[in-house]
Amino acid sequence: SYELTQPPSVSVSPGQTARITCSADALPKQYAYWYQQKPGQAPVLVIYKDSERPSGIPERFSGSSSGTTVTLTISGVQAEDEADYYCQSADSSGTYPHVVFGGGTKLTVL
Amino acid sequence: QVQLVESGGGLVKPGGSLRLSCAASGFTFSDYYMSWIRQAPGKGLEWVSYISSSSSYTNYADSVKGRFTISRDNAKNSLYLQMNSLRAEDTAVYYCARAQDDYGSGSLDYWGQGTLVTVSS
Repeated sequence: SYELTQPPSVSVSPGQTARITCSADALPKQYAYWYQQKPGQAPVLVIYKDSERPSGIPERFSGSSSGTTVTLTISGVQAEDEADYYCQSADSSGTYPHVVFGGGTKLTVL
Repeated sequence: QVQLVESGGGLVKPGGSLRLSCAASGFTFSDYYMSWIRQAPGKGLEWVSYISSSSSYTNYADSVKGRFTISRDNAKNSLYLQMNSLRAEDTAVYYCARAQDDYGSGSLDYWGQGTLVTVSS
């Protein structure tokens, strides 16, 4: 089955840059999306269509794509960025596309 | 502002049924695909199902296909998930979410706060 692979955890000091990757063979053909989820809260969309940022999301959040890997970059990480981050894409191998989420990455701000 | 409020969660025995609802407000509900996503305790996000704006098209994860049914009532601005033959592994917080674009497999730009479903004897 189609899988999106994320590292389980990433740690970074405040003010540094965090990079969270998401890999899958079909990513060059499908857009990727990123969500931030803080404990006890619903996910929030932070990046759509690989690199677009929704209104209200700080400029320090950015997305990029290269080959089979997409990357969420958080520049100048702040304590409030500590959260779980999930990538999402589509599995179009069947008749109708399914939604697929990566396993999630826990970002720890040291 | 966009609001999605889920309800209907609770404790149910294995093999039982439950119907979740999601009340939408703050946008033209009938214009958007809608989805259900779940999250087991301490686990990641899992897509469950989506439905097109006019209900003409639905899609399900393999893990729930044949047991769950998604539906909507555009006149009532409501989304539903009928869950039958529930299993312990269906225990999760269930979120409803709005699709940002005019298809079901894209980004989800608004989410409800979720409703907890517990399947246990």
